[in-house]
Amino acid sequence: GAVVSQHPSWVICKSGTSVKIECRSLDFQATTMFWYRQFPKQSLMLMATSNEGSKATYEQGVEKDKFLINHASLTLSTLTVTSAHPEDSSFYICSARDQRAGRDTGELFFGEGSRLTVL
Amino acid sequence: GIQVEQSPPDLILQEGANSTLRCNFSDSVNNLQWFHQNPWGQLINLFYIPSGTKQNGRLSATTVATERYSLLYISSSQTTDSGVYFCAVADSGGGADGLTFGKGTHLIIQP
Repeated sequence: GAVVSQHPSWVICKSGTSVKIECRSLDFQATTMFWYRQFPKQSLMLMATSNEGSKATYEQGVEKDKFLINHASLTLSTLTVTSAHPEDSSFYICSARDQRAGRDTGELFFGEGSRLTVL
Repeated sequence: GIQVEQSPPDLILQEGANSTLRCNFSDSVNNLQWFHQNPWGQLINLFYIPSGTKQNGRLSATTVATERYSLLYISSSQTTDSGVYFCAVADSGGGADGLTFGKGTHLIIQP
């Protein structure tokens, strides 16, 4: 299957600072990537759809000024948590679909996730 | 939006037992995937199965799209099968849709 990688795997920051998380498709190009958030012992919730070369689409209730998404290339999407607060502490996971000709089955592949702790 | 319900929420079994996990969804789907989330949080793709039946070793899955449910079977359970199993779907509305996840089944396999 296609490989999606995230960095960093975990990050601890002080309240009020901004944190950037990267999501890369390693062996394919992805015009669309998805960002999810998972709180402890809960399910994954879709936050936003990242579109290469255009603005991200945010799910209802997700603050776009708080969670900045940039998809500047076909292999990289970034999520920046701005002015982070303890309630932003969570597990953030990205996913992408291998849309190469002949390989796109519709299946989504997920990164390893990034665990954010805001002190 | 589409609703996804998984059952049971928790399941405790002895090693060697078989189990069936269920996923019901509220609308037509063009994507249904089963995942195993390991203790470090990574989602392991088990099956991409919007319809039909697939098998991979001790695991198999069946989706009956017309009746809006999917089943994940685990045979001869091992302790390493423990973890949370998620079903996730994308509805048939078209476009590049993200997945909607169920709440998961927390499976514990005891030695």
